[in-house]
Amino acid sequence: GAVVSQHPSWVICKSGTSVKIECRSLDFQATTMFWYRQFPKQSLMLMATSNEGSKATYEQGVEKDKFLINHASLTLSTLTVTSAHPEDSSFYICSASPRGRGVNEKLFFGSGTQLSVL
Amino acid sequence: EDKVVQSPLSLVVHEGDTVTLNCSYEVTNFRSLLWYKQEKKAPTFLFMLTSSGIEKKSGRLSSILDKKELFSILNITATQTGDSAVYLCAAGANNLFFGTGTRLTVIP
Repeated sequence: GAVVSQHPSWVICKSGTSVKIECRSLDFQATTMFWYRQFPKQSLMLMATSNEGSKATYEQGVEKDKFLINHASLTLSTLTVTSAHPEDSSFYICSASPRGRGVNEKLFFGSGTQLSVL
Repeated sequence: EDKVVQSPLSLVVHEGDTVTLNCSYEVTNFRSLLWYKQEKKAPTFLFMLTSSGIEKKSGRLSSILDKKELFSILNITATQTGDSAVYLCAAGANNLFFGTGTRLTVIP
């Protein structure tokens, strides 16, 4: 099946620093990738939709200047948490759908990134 | 407000039992409902449902959608310890809204 690689798996950083998370589709092209945030025992909350070659679409309440998304190629999207604060500590996960399929059809998820901001 | 509600929140059964997980949804734009299994990190795809009344099956798992009642169920028969996981339901069109999941624990 299709593979989505997410890196790093976990990161600990100091408050005020920026953290970049990468999401790669390894064996398919993805025009659209999605970024989610998941708190313990809670649902996946969609943060933004990353579109290759254009600006990301952010969900209501998500600060686009804080969570920078870049989708420079059909296989890579990055999420940068800028000036991270402890409240940004969370599990971040990306997903992608093979190009040519419906946006929601068979989303493949990365393994997630656990971010801890001290 | 778009929402997806799953029940029960958690479930503990013995191996061999049959379980039914529930998912109700209210989303502005609906195209499909999806079920995922999340064991540790990455959710893995189970089913995508777009039409009412058509049961989808994969081994011991099956699922069906009722678009009139805005409801879906996921059945697992003859449960095994390997079925222990959080089962996520998601519904929507271009955006997917996820439920909080049902945590299933299967005891040997």
